Amino acid sequence: GQQVMQIPQYQHVQEGEDFTTYCNSSTTLSNIQWYKQRPGGHPVFLIQLVKSGEVKKQKRLTFQFGEAKKNSSLHITATQTTDVGTYFCALEAGNEKLTFGTGTRLTIIP
Amino acid sequence: KAGVTQTPRYLIKTRGQQVTLSCSPISGHRSVSWYQQTPGQGLQFLFEYFSETQRNKGNFPGRFSGRQFSNSRSEMNVSTLELGDSALYLCASSRRQGAHEQYFGPGTRLTVT
Repeated sequence: GQQVMQIPQYQHVQEGEDFTTYCNSSTTLSNIQWYKQRPGGHPVFLIQLVKSGEVKKQKRLTFQFGEAKKNSSLHITATQTTDVGTYFCALEAGNEKLTFGTGTRLTIIP
Repeated sequence: KAGVTQTPRYLIKTRGQQVTLSCSPISGHRSVSWYQQTPGQGLQFLFEYFSETQRNKGNFPGRFSGRQFSNSRSEMNVSTLELGDSALYLCASSRRQGAHEQYFGPGTRLTVT
């Protein structure tokens, strides 16, 4: 099936450093969602973005939707050990199906 | 409010057998979607059910099927199991039909030997 690349695939950061993951699509998106999956757990919904250029914040997490609605980013400020997990974007391109990205696995070095 | 529940949590089957997985959505959620998660292919959409009707499906062979009952509970069936069907099968519910926020269950870990 179709895969959406997220970059980077893996990220190891010192606790307190910032972290960013990027999600890119070749097609214009209707909406993009972000999920977090802890090791051994299941994906948990974080946010949905629908408007061009939209920026949403949740505490230390900042989500952006590109102006052309083809890319998105998730930025975490001052990472903590609780941020460990894999972050997935999920795209919808007008067909009412979600296509999940390959994920970025974040590990924190205490 | 209780979350999405899936049974069984773990399953070991032999090639050629069939399997049925069950999912109970969050109360009030009428959409149930199924996903397959593997290390190689990631999270892939199988199908979505809403009001007992399949509304959308992914690119999986016909061996993968599902249904939804009037209480929104859903089952997924895989017939003639192959080794490559070993995966974590995740069920997700949503209030609305379509690609809206998904609330995932803990998954069923299927191993085919």
